[in-house]
Amino acid sequence: DAKTTQPPSMDCAEGRAANLPCNHSTISGNEYVYWYRQIHSQGPQYIIHGLKNNETNEMASLIITEDRKSSTLILPHATLRDTAVYYCIVRVAKNTDKLIFGTGTRLQVFP
Amino acid sequence: GAGVSQSPSNKVTEKGKDVELRCDPISGHTALYWYRQSLGQGLEFLIYFQGNSAPDKSGLPSDRFSAERTGGSVSTLTIQRTQQEDSAVYLCASSPWAAGVVGDTQYFGPGTRLTVL
Repeated sequence: DAKTTQPPSMDCAEGRAANLPCNHSTISGNEYVYWYRQIHSQGPQYIIHGLKNNETNEMASLIITEDRKSSTLILPHATLRDTAVYYCIVRVAKNTDKLIFGTGTRLQVFP
Repeated sequence: GAGVSQSPSNKVTEKGKDVELRCDPISGHTALYWYRQSLGQGLEFLIYFQGNSAPDKSGLPSDRFSAERTGGSVSTLTIQRTQQEDSAVYLCASSPWAAGVVGDTQYFGPGTRLTVL
């Protein structure tokens, strides 16, 4: 799987949008961008994934650049419960292969 | 419906003892994964099951680690002669899979925190 680069930490005020960047400059044509998060003392939780089009679900939006070398996860109205480590993972979809986690971004939402 | 469950939630053992960690995947999920997360470290893959067979065991750190899955459901991760460096949170995940159907989202359990004294 392609390597991803994320900032180690970010802060966000409650109620504001949290924009978490991820670089994946060596992504292959058949690889998707996945986002998971891990709230303290819990297992990772799937958030969203996409190939090249922007995606939105009830949790977040995913914006992927046209060249697919980077993406941004957007939490439109961050809450204190969104404080977690966010992992950007690049992998082939439709595949039961393992997830390879990097170090992620620790998002701290403050009141 | 019920998510992935793991037991025990916490396990403290003495160095040299054997431990068994259990994972109950989401009903109907045929793919099952074990990961571990050491203090201050990232998540690392251990082993993957498809049904009862394990096509990928590449992450098991030593021959003291083994895992099995029976009936295509419950899985047990066994660590023999535990060492202090085995202390970590052991996470299990499951994923639905069937021929011709996409099922690649992995759903994680809460983990088992293992402490080896």
